[in-house]
Amino acid sequence: NAGVTQTPKFQVLKTGQSMTLQCAQDMNHNSMYWYRQDPGMGLRLIYYSASEGTTDKGEVPNGYNVSRLNKREFSLRLESAAPSQTSVYFCASRKARASADTDTQYFGPGTRLTVL
Amino acid sequence: KNEVEQSPQNLTAQEGEFITINCSYSVGISALHWLQQHPGGGIVSLFMLSSGKKKHGRLIATINIQEKHSSLHITASHPRDSAVYICAVPYNTDKLIFGTGTRLQVFP
Repeated sequence: NAGVTQTPKFQVLKTGQSMTLQCAQDMNHNSMYWYRQDPGMGLRLIYYSASEGTTDKGEVPNGYNVSRLNKREFSLRLESAAPSQTSVYFCASRKARASADTDTQYFGPGTRLTVL
Repeated sequence: KNEVEQSPQNLTAQEGEFITINCSYSVGISALHWLQQHPGGGIVSLFMLSSGKKKHGRLIATINIQEKHSSLHITASHPRDSAVYICAVPYNTDKLIFGTGTRLQVFP
């Protein structure tokens, strides 16, 4: 199993450009998450999907859109990138209604995005 | 006030030392997570615990639900333990609030 995969690993954008970050998991998990990580701050939730076809805003959703294409894939789109969106982005997945021993989030390797 | 606070923010140790990282939280929870972020950026879950203590190799995590406090201990630390350690608490059933992390460097 590959676990959680993300593409691309690195990306440089100019202000105003758009792009989509891709995430896929092969663990048959229901819940998927997009986070951003900035220096001096904890991981912050951008968007969340409890199941295929549902999405919900997290703590910092402004400037982003998401799409839960199917159970495996959860993409994050920046329609018009801004320098404030320079960050490291992590996708994660979790088995819903997990038992106490399996209740954990599995993270992808991250995408380092720079917006000039 | 942050809902999840970790201390210290940075920690330097010599190989073999006993390490303690603390996590305090202000929300009511049923469990707490400890995660490790490697220097390359990858994040892995170490523990999820709801009471008492859990041990995995040289790592020991304890939690006191009444005092809203958890500690992560590393015995006989090694340079490969150098990483950022993050605690997180659940809210709204299946979301997590993360601490800002403790950066640990272990020197030979």
